[in-house]
Amino acid sequence: DGGITQSPKYLFRKEGQNVTLSCEQNLNHDAMYWYRQDPGQGLRLIYYSQIVNDFQKGDIAEGYSVSREKKESFPLTVTSAQKNPTAFYLCASTGQGAYQPQHFGDGTRLSIL
Amino acid sequence: SQQGEEDPQALSIQEGENATMNCSYKTSINNLQWYRQNSGRGLVHLILIRSNEREKHSGRLRVTLDTSKKSSSLLITASRAADTASYFCATEGQAGTALIFGKGTTLSVSS
Repeated sequence: DGGITQSPKYLFRKEGQNVTLSCEQNLNHDAMYWYRQDPGQGLRLIYYSQIVNDFQKGDIAEGYSVSREKKESFPLTVTSAQKNPTAFYLCASTGQGAYQPQHFGDGTRLSIL
Repeated sequence: SQQGEEDPQALSIQEGENATMNCSYKTSINNLQWYRQNSGRGLVHLILIRSNEREKHSGRLRVTLDTSKKSSSLLITASRAADTASYFCATEGQAGTALIFGKGTTLSVSS
């Protein structure tokens, strides 16, 4: 079945540590997105990529980094510079053309040890 | 930048009743979308309404869009316990730009 796979489902970060969240899609979608969700805050855009080897910052990119070396993969690194990383992270993708909905993975919950 | 604002923040109803959620936004849009999120899961797309459309139906869902008031509503008819979830509106400005999500409405349907 086509879809988006995020891993791991739960992740714990030690202080000063960088961690990487995986997002893989087999929908042949060009555009991919990373969102952060805090309780009562809705979804906030971290980074997005519309083609391979290109990505743009969203509203809250500080403390995060991404890469897009393959169409199928858009990993997100939460760096030690992100002082409040505890949140639910969601990855999404969209097909080409107008009026395309976003397809979401099931998220990664990141907590501080 | 959060564009959509859902109202109410929380809604509790009995099975069989209708549930109405509203969304207001600030700038012009290409389309508006509604998503559903079950606890601890990703979002699932429900319905997309284009800026030149006024109403759209999908099963028990009815969405309206009033671009002059910059608002949309989602109606779920004959609610079921399985409809319990958070519902988000999201707006797309120019075509191909990133969606901007609201904070969501949490719906609880009791049997």
